[in-house]
Amino acid sequence: DGGITQSPKYLFRKEGQNVTLSCEQNLNHDAMYWYRQDPGQGLRLIYYSQIVNDFQKGDIAEGYSVSREKKESFPLTVTSAQKNPTAFYLCASSLRGLKNYEQYFGPGTRLTVT
Amino acid sequence: QQQVKQSPQSLIVQKGGISIINCAYENTAFDYFPWYQQFPGKGPALLIAIRPDVSEKKEGRFTISFNKSAKQFSLHIMDSQPGDSATYFCAASSSNTGNQFYFGTGTSLTVIP
Repeated sequence: DGGITQSPKYLFRKEGQNVTLSCEQNLNHDAMYWYRQDPGQGLRLIYYSQIVNDFQKGDIAEGYSVSREKKESFPLTVTSAQKNPTAFYLCASSLRGLKNYEQYFGPGTRLTVT
Repeated sequence: QQQVKQSPQSLIVQKGGISIINCAYENTAFDYFPWYQQFPGKGPALLIAIRPDVSEKKEGRFTISFNKSAKQFSLHIMDSQPGDSATYFCAASSSNTGNQFYFGTGTSLTVIP
């Protein structure tokens, strides 16, 4: 059963703590993405990776970090430097090439920081 | 700056009616325009997509109309059903920029029985 898994579904943290969100895919996709979703603002790109051991900042990378050590995995760390971390976080993956490809999304992780 | 502008923010339609959601863009390098459907607490799923070499694409009750000169595209849902109640996002990307998608702000559709 191919797809993208994100865990956990709900995550609660105290302010000042770093937290890592998991994203795994078994679609054999080269490219992976992290988005943040807030009410009324759509999806905003945090980081993306086209291949293993390489990633680029998106529009709102400040306060976040990622790694891409394996093709299947693209974890996102929300650091204490992120001023407004409470949000719904979505991971996506796609094929990589010269033309555009559909991005497949995971079920999301809702992070609440108090 | 919002690369893709979407309207309306919310929409209420009677069952059997037509739902219309509009998007506009500025970057003429965009060459792929997908629409995603998202149910509460779930990730978005691709509904239908179009490339600028055609002006319309239809899949079942869902149709994308594309106006290249006006830099606008819209989603039409015919015979809207309560099960269509969801949030819809338009997006755009350019093959020049590594499949980076730019999303609209979303439209919350409610179909009343």
